[in-house]
Amino acid sequence: EDQVTQSPEALRLQEGESSSLNCSYTVSGLRGLFWYRQDPGKGPEFLFTLYSAGEEKEKERLKATLTKKESFLHITAPKPEDSATYLCAVQAPAGNQFYFGTGTSLTVIP
Amino acid sequence: DAEITQSPRHKITETGRQVTLACHQTWNHNNMFWYRQDLGHGLRLIHYSYGVQDTNKGEVSDGYSVSRSNTEDLPLTLESAASSQTSVYFCASSRGSANTGELFFGEGSRLTVL
Repeated sequence: EDQVTQSPEALRLQEGESSSLNCSYTVSGLRGLFWYRQDPGKGPEFLFTLYSAGEEKEKERLKATLTKKESFLHITAPKPEDSATYLCAVQAPAGNQFYFGTGTSLTVIP
Repeated sequence: DAEITQSPRHKITETGRQVTLACHQTWNHNNMFWYRQDLGHGLRLIHYSYGVQDTNKGEVSDGYSVSRSNTEDLPLTLESAASSQTSVYFCASSRGSANTGELFFGEGSRLTVL
């Protein structure tokens, strides 16, 4: 049973064209939702942690938001260097285990 | 700077051979994890450890083993490699505090089993 679902699988944007990536989850008793960025041939790099509905975090052109069933990663005026795969993960109710989505591959065209 | 390193970065082996992937971190983190990443599946947890002498099975642990003899290292062993174990393997670590969620990942080890 999928616990984390990300959409879309792939997204192509023109430079400056804002959009949002979605992460929906079915884990009950969420301890935290996390966003990572992964560049080709590299390991994921941590971006944000969100713990409760209504929480928002920002970093440069990225803003992450959380509701009771999903999270959005908003990308404002993206640049080509924002091209990467963005992964969402949720932390299990017990222990330190994390469940990852399959990611959204973002391409920003100059 | 503290870091987490994996070796080898690329390996090709044959079915039935034993393979060990190394993971070494210098953050002095208690928690260490091994994931595999395959198209369409995302990152899946293989094994994890909360400290020295502690190891636990993840969701895809069959055919893999780990040992934790010190804080810095968590080697992953494939006892008898199978073609289904062709994948990219990532090691990660995190602090002992359970709620940070910040996993530090290595660069990955690409394993091909022929």
